[in-house]
Amino acid sequence: DVKVTQSSRYLVKRTGEKVFLECVQDMDHENMFWYRQDPGLGLRLIYFSYDVKMKEKGDIPEGYSVSREKKERFSLILESASTNQTSMYLCASSPPGGQNIQYFGAGTRLSVL
Amino acid sequence: QKEVEQNSGPLSVPEGAIASLNCTYSDRGSQSFFWYRQYSGKSPELIMSIYSNGDKEDGRFTAQLNKASQYVSLLIRDSQPSDSATYLCAVTTNAGKSTFGDGTTLTVKP
Repeated sequence: DVKVTQSSRYLVKRTGEKVFLECVQDMDHENMFWYRQDPGLGLRLIYFSYDVKMKEKGDIPEGYSVSREKKERFSLILESASTNQTSMYLCASSPPGGQNIQYFGAGTRLSVL
Repeated sequence: QKEVEQNSGPLSVPEGAIASLNCTYSDRGSQSFFWYRQYSGKSPELIMSIYSNGDKEDGRFTAQLNKASQYVSLLIRDSQPSDSATYLCAVTTNAGKSTFGDGTTLTVKP
Protein backbone atom coordinates (compact mmCIF):
# COMPACT_ATOMS: atom_id res chain seq x y z
CA ASP A 1 0.00 0.00 0.00
CA VAL A 2 1.08 3.52 -0.73
CA LYS A 3 1.84 5.48 2.39
CA VAL A 4 1.98 9.26 2.50
CA THR A 5 2.87 10.53 5.94
CA GLN A 6 2.46 14.08 7.13
CA SER A 7 4.53 14.99 10.15
CA SER A 8 1.79 16.59 12.24
CA ARG A 9 -1.94 16.03 12.48
CA TYR A 10 -2.61 19.28 14.32
CA LEU A 11 -0.43 22.36 14.62
CA VAL A 12 -0.94 25.70 16.37
CA LYS A 13 1.38 28.58 15.52
CA ARG A 14 1.59 32.30 16.14
CA THR A 15 1.35 35.01 13.50
CA GLY A 16 4.77 35.72 12.02
CA GLU A 17 6.27 32.35 12.86
CA LYS A 18 8.05 30.28 10.22
CA VAL A 19 6.19 27.01 9.81
CA PHE A 20 7.39 23.77 8.24
CA LEU A 21 4.98 21.07 7.12
CA GLU A 22 6.67 17.83 6.20
CA CYS A 23 5.45 15.09 3.90
CA VAL A 24 7.10 11.73 3.19
CA GLN A 25 5.99 9.04 0.75
CA ASP A 26 7.33 5.51 0.60
CA MET A 27 6.45 4.49 -2.96
CA ASP A 28 9.25 6.18 -4.89
CA HIS A 29 6.75 8.51 -6.60
CA GLU A 30 8.17 11.29 -8.72
CA ASN A 31 5.24 13.65 -8.30
CA MET A 32 4.28 15.33 -5.06
CA PHE A 33 1.71 18.00 -4.28
CA TRP A 34 0.62 20.37 -1.53
CA TYR A 35 -3.00 21.47 -1.27
CA ARG A 36 -5.02 23.42 1.20
CA GLN A 37 -8.66 22.67 1.81
CA ASP A 38 -11.13 25.23 3.11
CA PRO A 39 -14.92 25.03 3.49
CA GLY A 40 -16.62 26.37 0.39
CA LEU A 41 -13.34 26.70 -1.51
CA GLY A 42 -12.53 23.05 -2.08
CA LEU A 43 -9.05 21.68 -2.57
CA ARG A 44 -6.59 24.22 -3.97
CA LEU A 45 -3.11 23.45 -5.28
CA ILE A 46 -0.31 25.41 -3.63
CA TYR A 47 2.83 23.87 -5.15
CA PHE A 48 3.83 20.67 -6.85
CA SER A 49 7.05 18.93 -7.77
CA TYR A 50 7.91 16.46 -10.51
CA ASP A 51 11.40 15.65 -9.33
CA VAL A 52 14.05 16.35 -6.74
CA LYS A 53 14.91 20.05 -6.48
CA MET A 54 12.16 20.86 -8.94
CA LYS A 55 9.04 22.86 -8.06
CA GLU A 56 6.12 24.44 -9.84
CA LYS A 57 3.65 27.00 -8.56
CA GLY A 58 0.08 25.92 -8.24
CA ASP A 59 -2.97 28.13 -8.07
CA ILE A 60 -2.28 29.83 -4.71
CA PRO A 61 1.50 29.94 -4.06
CA GLU A 62 1.58 33.34 -2.40
CA GLY A 63 2.93 33.20 1.13
CA TYR A 64 4.31 29.68 0.68
CA SER A 65 7.50 28.05 -0.49
CA VAL A 66 8.53 24.42 -0.86
CA SER A 67 11.60 22.27 -0.70
CA ARG A 68 12.32 18.90 -2.25
CA GLU A 69 15.86 17.81 -1.45
CA LYS A 70 15.06 14.09 -1.54
CA LYS A 71 12.63 12.21 -3.71
CA GLU A 72 10.54 10.93 -0.83
CA ARG A 73 10.20 14.22 1.05
CA PHE A 74 8.33 17.37 0.09
CA SER A 75 8.19 20.23 2.56
CA LEU A 76 5.82 23.18 2.63
CA ILE A 77 7.13 26.34 4.27
CA LEU A 78 5.13 29.28 5.53
CA GLU A 79 7.76 32.00 5.73
CA SER A 80 5.72 34.23 8.04
CA ALA A 81 2.47 32.61 9.08
CA SER A 82 -0.70 34.69 8.92
CA THR A 83 -4.19 34.03 10.23
CA ASN A 84 -5.53 33.56 6.69
CA GLN A 85 -3.28 30.53 6.37
CA THR A 86 -5.31 28.69 8.97
CA SER A 87 -6.48 25.67 7.03
CA MET A 88 -6.26 21.93 6.43
CA TYR A 89 -3.13 21.13 4.46
CA LEU A 90 -2.99 17.96 2.40
CA CYS A 91 0.03 16.40 0.81
CA ALA A 92 -0.31 13.95 -2.08
CA SER A 93 1.96 11.91 -4.30
CA SER A 94 1.44 10.20 -7.62
CA PRO A 95 3.51 7.84 -9.75
CA PRO A 96 4.95 8.87 -13.12
CA GLY A 97 3.15 8.13 -16.32
CA GLY A 98 -0.26 9.12 -17.51
CA GLN A 99 -2.52 7.79 -14.80
CA ASN A 100 -2.09 10.74 -12.41
CA ILE A 101 -3.78 8.98 -9.50
CA GLN A 102 -3.02 10.86 -6.30
CA TYR A 103 -2.53 9.34 -2.87
CA PHE A 104 -3.15 11.66 0.02
CA GLY A 105 -1.69 11.96 3.48
CA ALA A 106 -3.91 12.28 6.52
CA GLY A 107 -3.64 16.07 6.51
CA THR A 108 -2.34 18.71 8.90
CA ARG A 109 -4.85 21.06 10.46
CA LEU A 110 -2.94 24.29 11.02
CA SER A 111 -4.24 27.08 13.21
CA VAL A 112 -2.45 30.41 13.13
CA LEU A 113 -3.32 32.63 16.09
CA GLN B 1 -16.39 30.24 -14.22
CA LYS B 2 -14.69 27.61 -12.14
CA GLU B 3 -12.46 25.14 -13.95
CA VAL B 4 -14.26 22.18 -12.39
CA GLU B 5 -17.85 22.48 -11.25
CA GLN B 6 -19.88 19.91 -9.40
CA ASN B 7 -23.62 19.82 -8.84
CA SER B 8 -24.43 21.70 -5.70
CA GLY B 9 -25.36 19.65 -2.71
CA PRO B 10 -26.08 18.38 -0.36
CA LEU B 11 -27.58 15.33 -2.01
CA SER B 12 -29.76 13.00 0.00
CA VAL B 13 -30.96 9.60 -1.20
CA PRO B 14 -32.64 6.68 0.57
CA GLU B 15 -30.74 3.48 1.14
CA GLY B 16 -30.82 1.27 -1.93
CA ALA B 17 -31.40 4.13 -4.37
CA ILE B 18 -29.09 5.37 -7.12
CA ALA B 19 -27.04 8.45 -6.32
CA SER B 20 -25.98 10.57 -9.31
CA LEU B 21 -23.10 13.00 -9.03
CA ASN B 22 -22.15 15.33 -11.86
CA CYS B 23 -19.11 17.33 -12.83
CA THR B 24 -18.26 19.66 -15.70
CA TYR B 25 -14.84 21.01 -16.61
CA SER B 26 -13.60 23.85 -18.77
CA ASP B 27 -10.16 22.73 -20.02
CA ARG B 28 -10.58 20.74 -23.24
CA GLY B 29 -6.98 19.56 -22.86
CA SER B 30 -7.86 17.53 -19.79
CA GLN B 31 -6.74 13.94 -20.01
CA SER B 32 -7.59 12.14 -16.80
CA PHE B 33 -10.69 12.23 -14.65
CA PHE B 34 -11.16 11.02 -11.12
CA TRP B 35 -13.69 10.67 -8.37
CA TYR B 36 -12.40 10.80 -4.82
CA ARG B 37 -14.42 10.10 -1.70
CA GLN B 38 -13.72 12.06 1.46
CA TYR B 39 -15.24 11.11 4.77
CA SER B 40 -15.61 13.86 7.34
CA GLY B 41 -12.27 14.58 8.99
CA LYS B 42 -10.40 12.27 6.62
CA SER B 43 -8.34 12.77 3.49
CA PRO B 44 -9.60 12.03 -0.03
CA GLU B 45 -9.30 8.49 -1.38
CA LEU B 46 -9.65 7.44 -4.99
CA ILE B 47 -12.74 5.47 -5.91
CA MET B 48 -12.84 5.77 -9.71
CA SER B 49 -10.62 6.89 -12.54
CA ILE B 50 -11.64 7.24 -16.19
CA TYR B 51 -9.55 8.24 -19.17
CA SER B 52 -11.66 7.68 -22.29
CA ASN B 53 -15.22 8.40 -23.35
CA GLY B 54 -17.91 6.03 -22.19
CA ASP B 55 -18.71 4.15 -19.02
CA LYS B 56 -16.46 2.43 -16.55
CA GLU B 57 -17.96 0.17 -13.93
CA ASP B 58 -16.44 -1.02 -10.67
CA GLY B 59 -18.84 -2.82 -8.38
CA ARG B 60 -21.63 -0.45 -7.42
CA PHE B 61 -19.84 2.54 -8.97
CA THR B 62 -20.04 3.67 -12.59
CA ALA B 63 -18.12 6.60 -13.98
CA GLN B 64 -19.24 8.18 -17.23
CA LEU B 65 -17.14 10.49 -19.38
CA ASN B 66 -18.20 12.64 -22.32
CA LYS B 67 -15.28 14.75 -23.51
CA ALA B 68 -17.31 16.50 -26.20
CA SER B 69 -19.68 17.82 -23.54
CA GLN B 70 -16.85 18.19 -20.99
CA TYR B 71 -18.85 16.20 -18.53
CA VAL B 72 -18.06 13.41 -16.11
CA SER B 73 -20.44 11.72 -13.72
CA LEU B 74 -20.50 9.11 -10.99
CA LEU B 75 -23.41 6.78 -10.35
CA ILE B 76 -23.63 4.85 -7.11
CA ARG B 77 -26.09 1.98 -7.28
CA ASP B 78 -27.71 0.41 -4.23
CA SER B 79 -26.50 3.29 -2.08
CA GLN B 80 -25.49 2.40 1.47
CA PRO B 81 -25.22 4.59 4.57
CA SER B 82 -21.46 3.97 4.40
CA ASP B 83 -21.46 5.87 1.07
CA SER B 84 -22.32 9.07 2.97
CA ALA B 85 -19.36 11.34 2.29
CA THR B 86 -18.20 14.23 0.15
CA TYR B 87 -17.33 13.26 -3.40
CA LEU B 88 -14.66 15.25 -5.19
CA CYS B 89 -14.32 15.39 -8.95
CA ALA B 90 -10.73 15.92 -10.14
CA VAL B 91 -9.55 16.71 -13.65
CA THR B 92 -5.91 16.41 -14.69
CA THR B 93 -4.18 17.95 -17.68
CA ASN B 94 -1.45 16.28 -19.68
CA ALA B 95 1.09 18.15 -17.57
CA GLY B 96 -0.12 16.26 -14.51
CA LYS B 97 -1.69 19.19 -12.71
CA SER B 98 -5.02 18.37 -11.08
CA THR B 99 -7.92 20.67 -10.42
CA PHE B 100 -10.60 19.64 -7.96
CA GLY B 101 -14.23 20.58 -7.75
CA ASP B 102 -15.66 21.85 -4.49
CA GLY B 103 -17.28 18.51 -3.81
CA THR B 104 -20.81 17.22 -3.40
CA THR B 105 -21.89 15.95 -0.02
CA LEU B 106 -23.98 12.81 -0.21
CA THR B 107 -26.14 11.50 2.61
CA VAL B 108 -27.68 8.05 2.33
CA LYS B 109 -30.56 7.66 4.73
CA PRO B 110 -31.36 4.21 6.15
